[in-house]
Amino acid sequence: QQQVKQSPQSLIVQKGGISIINCAYENTAFDYFPWYQQFPGKGPALLIAIRPDVSEKKEGRFTISFNKSAKQFSLHIMDSQPGDSATYFCAPADRGSTLGRLYFGRGTQLTVWP
Amino acid sequence: DAGVTQSPTHLIKTRGQQVTLRCSPKSGHDTVSWYQQALGQGPQFIFQYYEEEERQRGNFPDRFSGHQFPNYSSELNVNALLLGDSALYLCASSASLRSTEAFFGQGTRLTVV
Repeated sequence: QQQVKQSPQSLIVQKGGISIINCAYENTAFDYFPWYQQFPGKGPALLIAIRPDVSEKKEGRFTISFNKSAKQFSLHIMDSQPGDSATYFCAPADRGSTLGRLYFGRGTQLTVWP
Repeated sequence: DAGVTQSPTHLIKTRGQQVTLRCSPKSGHDTVSWYQQALGQGPQFIFQYYEEEERQRGNFPDRFSGHQFPNYSSELNVNALLLGDSALYLCASSASLRSTEAFFGQGTRLTVV
């Protein structure tokens, strides 16, 4: 986990607002950058992922922005909804030497107020 | 498609005991990984199984061991339980050894008293 630093630890956003979660990593061998969403009592579920050859990927209200030189990537949730309230994890991986092992951040607890 | 299923859902054990957790991967998946998630933390990688062999291991003591069966299902065994082993244990399956798209089960909540 020390290889990945996630911020903020918690985030409160009003319905319709933008939620932004950041992830900084140390291992330059990482070549897969996903975000996972976890609801209480459930396992993490893949939300969106990006590979290092692109700087941004958008899927509906969710966007990943990737900055290779800064070794950072972020998750943007547009028009945040109460149903988005969950814990979000970045979990980069090095598909070469560590065979898809995911390195999870400590998580960001997002609360969206109606 | 049932997805990744884990059993049991909850478990309470006493210090020093041994526990076995079970996982059935998503249909068509042949690689299983186990993660430990302490309360308020992100999941930490324990080990990964492919073709019935442990392929890589995280920073966990030998008290943690596993097995994969010919039908790709897997078990996680923990011996000499410590209070600090209390956590949510997650099983993840993927379609191949190098696949990063992992599908997680709902986990087994282990409490050691």
